[in-house]
Amino acid sequence: GAVVSQHPSWVICKSGTSVKIECRSLDFQATTMFWYRQFPKQSLMLMATSNEGSKATYEQGVEKDKFLINHASLTLSTLTVTSAHPEDSSFYICSAADLKNTEAFFGQGTRLTVV
Amino acid sequence: GENVEQHPSTLSVQEGDSAVIKCTYSDSASNYFPWYKQELGKGPQLIIDIRSNVGEKKDQRIAVTLNKTAKHFSLHITETQPEDSAVYFCAASYTGRRALTFGSGTRLQVQP
Repeated sequence: GAVVSQHPSWVICKSGTSVKIECRSLDFQATTMFWYRQFPKQSLMLMATSNEGSKATYEQGVEKDKFLINHASLTLSTLTVTSAHPEDSSFYICSAADLKNTEAFFGQGTRLTVV
Repeated sequence: GENVEQHPSTLSVQEGDSAVIKCTYSDSASNYFPWYKQELGKGPQLIIDIRSNVGEKKDQRIAVTLNKTAKHFSLHITETQPEDSAVYFCAASYTGRRALTFGSGTRLQVQP
């Protein structure tokens, strides 16, 4: 299958700072990227969907001003957690899809810890 | 929106036995049903998927069945091995919406 690379794999930051997570599709053009959040021992919950060149669509309850998503190219989407707080500590996972396939390919995830 | 329920939440089997995980979905428009395996600290890995135009799909020791009328689908793993131990998620989506709605997950432990 196609490869989606997520960076960093883990990050620790201080409360009040911002953190950027990158999601790259390495061997295909990702017209759509998805960002999920997973709390310990829970399922993956969709945060937002982004299409290249347009604004992201956020799921209900997800603050768009806190979780900034940029999808400026067909191979890169970024998620910035602004003014992070300990309750934002979670596992963030991106997935990417192209026009051809129903399947979306997942990155390896980013473990964010806010102290 | 779509709601996916998954059972059981934990499943322990002996090596060599079979394991079955079941999911139900609510949105009759859903037509794509993947299953993912997630190991600790890693992203989900697609292991098998099925679309609503088929009732069953098999790939070596793994099979998935779909009952559209009842809106449920199941994962079957035969001849389980210790390396099958992980958390398994079912999911659903439909054409035009490739974001997935996930089930709550099943922690499978295969005892050697």
